[in-house]
Amino acid sequence: AQKVTQAQTEISVVEKEDVTLDCVYETRDTTYYLFWYKQPPSGELVFLIRRNSFDEQNEISGRYSWNFQKSTSSFNFTITASQVVDSAVYFCALSEWGMNTGFQKLVFGTGTRLLVSP
Amino acid sequence: DSGVTQTPKHLITATGQRVTLRCSPRSGDLSVYWYQQSLDQGLQFLIQYYNGEERAKGNILERFSAQQFPDLHSELNLSSLELGDSALYFCASSAQEIAGDNEQFFGPGTRLTVL
Repeated sequence: AQKVTQAQTEISVVEKEDVTLDCVYETRDTTYYLFWYKQPPSGELVFLIRRNSFDEQNEISGRYSWNFQKSTSSFNFTITASQVVDSAVYFCALSEWGMNTGFQKLVFGTGTRLLVSP
Repeated sequence: DSGVTQTPKHLITATGQRVTLRCSPRSGDLSVYWYQQSLDQGLQFLIQYYNGEERAKGNILERFSAQQFPDLHSELNLSSLELGDSALYFCASSAQEIAGDNEQFFGPGTRLTVL
């Protein structure tokens, strides 16, 4: 079963529109961490946010906001008043303990490509 | 700029060959992670080193190996290359040993093309 689901493959918006990128996760861990990363056309992965499973407070950083709801296993990301520079692929990730291995790794979703046109 | 450096930026080689990818972590970071990003597999964790020791292993093929040196830089060795190994290989670093305990900072990646 897929651990991190980003059902939206691609979203196209016009500049200044608000857009929400969905992320649904699956885990048996009681303590876990969720992440969002941005991959602009240049290719590098840029860290956006890390949230632990005990902190369900929504977070806002400038035009970015995140809504974490444990009840629906979702960690959605909203960009307000989108700009052309927001065009990128956005990845949601979940920290997961390996079964009987004693290590933890990040599991990434398949990403959502956001295209913001002028 | 994340502070993580990777060389080379691009690599073109033939099937059956062996290549080495190099990564220097951010100053002070003890963990180095390697990831493979391909169209069919997405972004997959390969292996993690912490302070010179292998810490976690993901979907890394037996033909691939890695190590972290005393100066904390890391190398990923890919041998007996196949067409399917063509991908973008990322290195990331973090301060902590446990993957989820802090954010990972990614390098610019090495694009490997196997012909």
